[in-house]
Amino acid sequence: GQQLNQSPQSMFIQEGEDVSMNCTSSSIFNTWLWYKQDPGEGPVLLIALYKAGELTSNGRLTAQFGITRKDSFLNISASIPSDVGIYFCAGQPVSGYALNFGKGTSLLVTP
Amino acid sequence: GAVVSQHPSWVICKSGTSVKIECRSLDFQATTMFWYRQFPKQSLMLMATSNEGSKATYEQGVEKDKFLINHASLTLSTLTVTSAHPEDSSFYICSTPQGVHNEKLFFGSGTQLSVL
Repeated sequence: GQQLNQSPQSMFIQEGEDVSMNCTSSSIFNTWLWYKQDPGEGPVLLIALYKAGELTSNGRLTAQFGITRKDSFLNISASIPSDVGIYFCAGQPVSGYALNFGKGTSLLVTP
Repeated sequence: GAVVSQHPSWVICKSGTSVKIECRSLDFQATTMFWYRQFPKQSLMLMATSNEGSKATYEQGVEKDKFLINHASLTLSTLTVTSAHPEDSSFYICSTPQGVHNEKLFFGSGTQLSVL
């Protein structure tokens, strides 16, 4: 499947700062999802987005499905040390249902 | 969300041996199971899709005789890495789709395979 363009590749921030990351694709997706992966663990679903323009929050996390259906962003507000991990975007293509994943954004938060 | 139990968490084996990884769905029936492979600091790469009672579908470049997948029941899917070699060392993760359009993937905890 097509790999999504996810940026930034890594972020090193201080506790309390806000974080923003995004994913873009040359193809349209029906669904955008954001996952977090801790070291040595499988990814955990954070947010799922289903409609163009949709803005959804999960606690301090907010994600949006781009109007063009080719992009999505994830914001984390007031970061805390336990936000450390790798965040992946994933998109479900129009044809088929196997997800395509971004390369991930590695987030480090210092106290 | 759906709970997928994956075992073992890690395995170290000698080159040439075979390793079996199990994924069990604990609170639902998993008609479909995806198997992913992940190298350090890399994204998840889909290896194959298994459907209960039928042959698995492998992605291009994945050797089906090397990575044997069995999905004989609705609660258990297995991946066997046959005649493992050091280049097979990787993090293997299973996942099952849920949701109206099977858009949400719920992942097992992964298996770190190290082949000596």
